[in-house]
Amino acid sequence: DSGVTQTPKHLITATGQRVTLRCSPRSGDLSVYWYQQSLDQGLQFLIQYYNGEERAKGNILERFSAQQFPDLHSELNLSSLELGDSALYFCASSVGSSGWSEQFFGPGTRLTVL
Amino acid sequence: SQQGEEDPQALSIQEGENATMNCSYKTSINNLQWYRQNSGRGLVHLILIRSNEREKHSGRLRVTLDTSKKSSSLLITASRAADTASYFCATPDGKSSGDKLTFGTGTRLAVRP
Repeated sequence: DSGVTQTPKHLITATGQRVTLRCSPRSGDLSVYWYQQSLDQGLQFLIQYYNGEERAKGNILERFSAQQFPDLHSELNLSSLELGDSALYFCASSVGSSGWSEQFFGPGTRLTVL
Repeated sequence: SQQGEEDPQALSIQEGENATMNCSYKTSINNLQWYRQNSGRGLVHLILIRSNEREKHSGRLRVTLDTSKKSSSLLITASRAADTASYFCATPDGKSSGDKLTFGTGTRLAVRP
């Protein structure tokens, strides 16, 4: 158990819909990262927050947005869902925000868009 | 795009044998990390090697890094069935102020009992 929790574990929805994925980092970790894992794209970095502020951005679609709240939990919002958005979405956390921090991954949310 | 490319893509060995997987990356790095992923589950950090280190050990794991060739290898000795998983190398993006990790394509390891 990494100490990072993600809800829900599974999500099945229809095209065009909007969903929210939630992540609680390990106690004491200030950074939260979101990754998408799909068969064709592999593991892709989406976005990082550090202590409530956006720190780094990857190939995150405009239909996707995220935020980190004062209690450090984070939410990833996916809207106007398409079939290709079906994937595993991972949240990870780390203590710092430099490139030296080990990242601890949550169990993931499996999103299926029908 | 993937920073790291793992080789081989898949590897099947007998329990007790050693498993070696390789990772190549494109840009300069300050460290390289290896992660393991059991099927459909979250990734687990295995080891971090700094750019000024050539070799690092952790239990049955041995990682080497050759910055001149932009490559790294992960050796698992005396493999066990429980080592069956996908293994990824990852490098942080030194250009940004953040901690973005770019993952390789992964090696799927199957250890036969």
